[in-house]
Amino acid sequence: DQQVKQNSPSLSVQEGRISILNCDYTNSMFDYFLWYKKYPAEGPTFLISISSIKDKNEDGRFTVFLNKSAKHLSLHIVPSQPGDSAVYFCAASGGYNQGGKLIFGQGTELSVKP
Amino acid sequence: KAGVTQTPRYLIKTRGQQVTLSCSPISGHRSVSWYQQTPGQGLQFLFEYFSETQRNKGNFPGRFSGRQFSNSRSEMNVSTLELGDSALYLCASSDSGRVLYNEQFFGPGTRLTVL
Repeated sequence: DQQVKQNSPSLSVQEGRISILNCDYTNSMFDYFLWYKKYPAEGPTFLISISSIKDKNEDGRFTVFLNKSAKHLSLHIVPSQPGDSAVYFCAASGGYNQGGKLIFGQGTELSVKP
Repeated sequence: KAGVTQTPRYLIKTRGQQVTLSCSPISGHRSVSWYQQTPGQGLQFLFEYFSETQRNKGNFPGRFSGRQFSNSRSEMNVSTLELGDSALYLCASSDSGRVLYNEQFFGPGTRLTVL
C-alpha cells in the first residue's frame, strides 16, 4: 500500500507563474512532512518541511501547506524559475523513534518553461 | 562541512554475486539511512542505523543487510543479487537528536546494475 501519493507524474508551468505540487497521505501517524528536489544523477536535496502542528511554512519562494483533515499537502513555488525544473518528492515521517524512516511519494517532474 | 559521500558511484555485477556499498555521513551525524530508488517503485526505505544499531527497517528481504561503524560510516550489503536489484542506492544522514523530526541529507547514490 502506498501511504504517500503524488498523483501527478509531471507538471509544466511558465516561468514567473506559480507551480503547485500536491501530495496525499493515508497514515494519520505521520507528524512531519518534507519536500525534496532531485536532479538526475544526484541525490535528493531538502527543500522545506512542516510539522503536523502547523498548517503553513514559508521559505523564500517556497511555501508548504498542510491540510490534516484532508491528509493533503501542497508545495507552492512563486515565481517559478527554469532552474526549478526537477523531480519533486514529498516525504512523511512519523511516530516515536521513526525519525530515520522517510516514506516517499512517487515524485512529480516539474518543467518550468522560459 | 563535507556532504554525504558514497562509494563506489557505479557498479556492475552479475546475478548471484554479492555487493557492498559504502556511505560516509556528514561529520557529527549519527543516523544513516539507506534507500533504494527504482523507476517502478520510487524511493523506498531500506533501513536506518543509529549509534551502530539498526533502529528502523523497511520491507526488504534478508538478502539486504547493513551495518554501522563507531565513526558512523555505514555499509550496505546485498547477497545473491537478482536482476531486480538494479537500482540507485541512496544513503542519507541526519542529526537525529530529535527523533520525531528528520531532515535527511542525501549522498549522490551508487548506481548498481545487475546483469
